[in-house]
Amino acid sequence: QVQLVQSGAQVKKPGASVRVYCKASGYTFTNFYMHWVRQAPGQGFEWMGIVTPINNGTSYAQKFEDRVTVRADTSTNTVYMELNSLRSEDTAIYYCARDREPTSVSCPDFWGQGTLVTVSS
Amino acid sequence: QSPLTQPASVSGSPGQSITISCTGTSTDVGGFNYVSWYQHHPGKAPQLLIYDVIKRPSGVSHRFSGSKSGNTASLSISGLQPDDEAMYYCTSYTSRTTVVFGGGTSVTVL
Repeated sequence: QVQLVQSGAQVKKPGASVRVYCKASGYTFTNFYMHWVRQAPGQGFEWMGIVTPINNGTSYAQKFEDRVTVRADTSTNTVYMELNSLRSEDTAIYYCARDREPTSVSCPDFWGQGTLVTVSS
Repeated sequence: QSPLTQPASVSGSPGQSITISCTGTSTDVGGFNYVSWYQHHPGKAPQLLIYDVIKRPSGVSHRFSGSKSGNTASLSISGLQPDDEAMYYCTSYTSRTTVVFGGGTSVTVL
């Protein structure tokens, strides 16, 4: 069965960077795009970006494109999301989510358990 | 990319039908048949209810249905049940090869 296991919670200071990992299993890793989505406390979901593991092609939301990097490692079936220049408003739960459709972008379907990132001085 | 516009809240009595709207632009909802809908209960992963505007994943109740007209997509829930009380989010693929979420709608079963 599809499983996405994310790395643990982190606390960061403003201005720092954070990297969140997502290890995939139960399917052919290179066949599916991986999304990154976040949810700040009391807020809705916000789409951040996507990667296709087969060639590390990416697309980012305009809001994040100068601060975020998403990469896939096919040797370990792991995707990571790195967010730079953190500010307090980046405090959120960050999710990886596999796309529903193989080899194309449709919509997130299988979700990781989420990783809480807290930005505080 | 602005979030898609959803009503903040919708309510209905058990057994009734409700509809949640999701309004975008011609560069997202209106331009592609890639609208999806999610149900989210706090503390759980979002559940995909509808994809490609009208399609239901296997295992999702037929009480949930999707539609689209112009730049507005809609999720209808028939035979409202207490467990339908949750947050509902729409998403759409966009012309910038990105995805955008709606702001979310809280459904209350009276």
